[in-house]
Amino acid sequence: AQTVTQSQPEMSVQEAETVTLSCTYDTSESDYYLFWYKQPPSRQMILVIRQEAYKQQNATENRFSVNFQKAAKSFSLKISDSQLGDAAMYFCAYRSAQETSGSRLTFGEGTQLTVNP
Amino acid sequence: EAGVTQFPSHSVIEKGQTVTLRCDPISGHDNLYWYRRVMGKEIKFLLHFVKESKQDESGMPNNRFLAERTGGTYSTLKVQPAELEDSGVYFCASSLGGTFKNIQYFGAGTRLSVL
Repeated sequence: AQTVTQSQPEMSVQEAETVTLSCTYDTSESDYYLFWYKQPPSRQMILVIRQEAYKQQNATENRFSVNFQKAAKSFSLKISDSQLGDAAMYFCAYRSAQETSGSRLTFGEGTQLTVNP
Repeated sequence: EAGVTQFPSHSVIEKGQTVTLRCDPISGHDNLYWYRRVMGKEIKFLLHFVKESKQDESGMPNNRFLAERTGGTYSTLKVQPAELEDSGVYFCASSLGGTFKNIQYFGAGTRLSVL
């Protein structure tokens, strides 16, 4: 079974600075998807960025980028030019690409990010 | 376009009572998922509907939990009778099929407190 680990329960960053959230995972599969979701307080959890394992190029979405290290099974999220609105709980998630494994997401325990003005 | 909506946002009940959570997926999404986060732990999968059929219910903890999706639209998750360990946040997500199936859109969750 796959597992996802987020070793940083809490992180803080100064506004306009850069922060990196860590995520590692364990799987025996070669093809899968990785995601970062963000949940602001009492609001919908939204997809921040996703990565297909077969792509070597790291995904980027504006100020958000990932460092995907497949051999190390590491998938960290970098937030550049942090803004107050980035404050949220961030979840790393894994999904198998095999149809027989179903569509479920496997999540880490989350990292609470605080952005200080 | 409306996102995934969940109702209620917060429910407080006593042990032994029944609670029903509701999820309205994004219109046109055949896939609907239930997850829950207990005691600040990781979010765990409960089950997956494709239209009105249960595709995968391997994550359901026990037979006190009953999920339905009538007509392939909204879904309900009933807990009967509720126990203290059922407290947590219950999330619903929906997705399209095909190649877009891997993008799941989540609601804000229902926070369930069992006293």
